[in-house]
Amino acid sequence: AQSVTQLDSQVPVFEEAPVELRCNYSSSVSVYLFWYVQYPNQGLQLLLKYLSGSTLVKGINGFEAEFNKSQTSFHLRKPSVHISDTAEYFCAVSGPNSGNTPLVFGKGTRLSVIA
Amino acid sequence: GAGVSQSPSNKVTEKGKDVELRCDPISGHTALYWYRQSLGQGLEFLIYFQGNSAPDKSGLPSDRFSAERTGGSVSTLTIQRTQQEDSAVYLCASSFQRGPSYEQYFGPGTRLTVT
Repeated sequence: AQSVTQLDSQVPVFEEAPVELRCNYSSSVSVYLFWYVQYPNQGLQLLLKYLSGSTLVKGINGFEAEFNKSQTSFHLRKPSVHISDTAEYFCAVSGPNSGNTPLVFGKGTRLSVIA
Repeated sequence: GAGVSQSPSNKVTEKGKDVELRCDPISGHTALYWYRQSLGQGLEFLIYFQGNSAPDKSGLPSDRFSAERTGGSVSTLTIQRTQQEDSAVYLCASSFQRGPSYEQYFGPGTRLTVT
């Protein structure tokens, strides 16, 4: 079975500082990896995804993530955060088969950007 | 264009009552997913539809939960004899096709409170 561990439940960071949100996954087969963001009282929005190819993936709002197969990690980074980045971030994994589509989510990391 | 919509946005019900939650997916999306978001469990997959059929119901927590989809569009999640542990935000998502290449677009959710 697949699982996702987000190592930090809360991350406070000052505005314009860099941030890294950590994600590790567990799977015996190859996987697809995703990061979603959830702003207060809204649904989830896709930030970026890794399906194959280059291990460095760039997403929206200046975020990027690097897939590391040997460390089974998919950490999310941003070089300079804004107040508007305050939200909850979810890492998710999906299986390799086209029929295995449900996303398995981590428990989320709440990013708080401090002015 | 219009995104995924869900109704009601909030629902308060008494323990033991039945509730129906509605999801209107993005027009033309053939795949539809239900997830549950709760404080203790994070985001959990409930059920997935391809067209009107549900090939994966593995996440439904008990036989009190059921879902249907009609006309390849609107879906209803029904919870019978609600319990306090059913309190959560129920999220619906849709995608053009099944498979990780196709982004899942999420609705804003229905917050269910069982008193």
